[in-house]
This record gives sequence, structure tokens and C-alpha cells, in this order.
Amino acid sequence: GNSVTQMEGPVTLSEEAFLTINCTYTATGYPSLFWYVQYPGEGLQLLLKATKADDKGSNKGFEATYRKETTSFHLEKGSVQVSDSAVYFCALSLLSNDYKLSFGAGTTVTVRA
Amino acid sequence: DGGITQSPKYLFRKEGQNVTLSCEQNLNHDAMYWYRQDPGQGLRLIYYSQIVNDFQKGDIAEGYSVSREKKESFPLTVTSAQKNPTAFYLCASSKGGGRGAGELFFGEGSRLTVL
Repeated sequence: GNSVTQMEGPVTLSEEAFLTINCTYTATGYPSLFWYVQYPGEGLQLLLKATKADDKGSNKGFEATYRKETTSFHLEKGSVQVSDSAVYFCALSLLSNDYKLSFGAGTTVTVRA
Repeated sequence: DGGITQSPKYLFRKEGQNVTLSCEQNLNHDAMYWYRQDPGQGLRLIYYSQIVNDFQKGDIAEGYSVSREKKESFPLTVTSAQKNPTAFYLCASSKGGGRGAGELFFGEGSRLTVL
């Protein structure tokens, strides 16, 4: 089946540190890949996406590159801020059934001032 | 402003009672979804609807029911048959099929607690 595996949290960082959250996937076809972010007490928001191999998604200083050879979509940010404290979810969808997103378990990130 | 409105934000229920969670969107999206979020388990799909008067079961539909009588509305009923209903419920919508379907817009969620 289709699934997403994220690195376990929680992750605690100091401001201006480098953040990486690992995400790998298993899929029977050619998925689109997504990162969603959930701030405390809120629903999820789309952070970035990539729809084919070697695509790089970017937004708000975050980046992730679709690596087909390693089935990965790791999220990175060079210098985090306290406002980046949130839960981050990796997700995939398949063209054959785009209505269904498969989510990872989520990684909680806390940034200290 | 366009968006998704879920209500109530917090809900308490006694065992054996049915409860309905409301979800309304004014984004003119065709597709709507209900997800359940439990700590450490990510999001699991309960039901989704691609178009008015049509819906499909997701991965954990047992003990839940939905309707889609209007494009804007997709209420979820948590029935007494749901064995472990205490959770955070998220409603979402998207433009529809194709590559755009993965871009979901979420409401702020409803937290259901069974006493």
C-alpha cells in the first residue's frame, strides 16, 4: 500500500538553527508529495508541494526536493524562528486516486528563543 | 474571507449518544473530506465526497456517517457504534480531481470528548 514515514519527534531547536525533517514514502505509482504545517490549535495548511521527480517545493524559507531514487522528500530550513514551532506532516497522493491523501504521523518542532 | 468553518470547536458527549459535527465551506470546492487526528498517528481519512450527493468511505469509516446535500456542507455524524470517538476531527476541501486534489484547505477542527 501507499504510506509515508516521518522522523519521530519531538524536535527542539534554538533560533537560527538548521532544521531537517526526514520523510520517505512507499507508493505503487508516481505520487505527488506535500508538506503540511499545523500551528497550535489550528487546522493544517499546505506548506509546499512537488509533483514529479527532482521538483523542489519552497515556501517561507522551507524547501523539499522530490527524490525518486531514494523515495524521499525531506523538509529543510536554514534558519528557524520561534514562529516555526508547529507540527509538520509529510503526505502523498496518487494520480490514480487523487482524492485520498496519505499522511505521515507528524513531527513536532519546538524552536526556543 | 473564503475558508472552512467547523463547529463546534469543543464538544462533549456521553457514551451512547450520536453527535453531528458541522463543516461549511465558501471556497466553491467540489471535494470535501473528514479526517480524524490522534496523537502520534497523523491523520486518517474517514469519508470523502467528490461531488454533491456522492461520498465514499475512507480508511476508518466504521461508526461514522456523512451526507452531502449541498456543495457547501459536509456534516459528520459520530454514532454510538464508534468504539473510541474521542479525537480531533478535521474537515477539509479541495478543488477536485487531478493534480490539484492534494492541495487541501482545512478547518480549525472540532475536539470531541466522550465522557
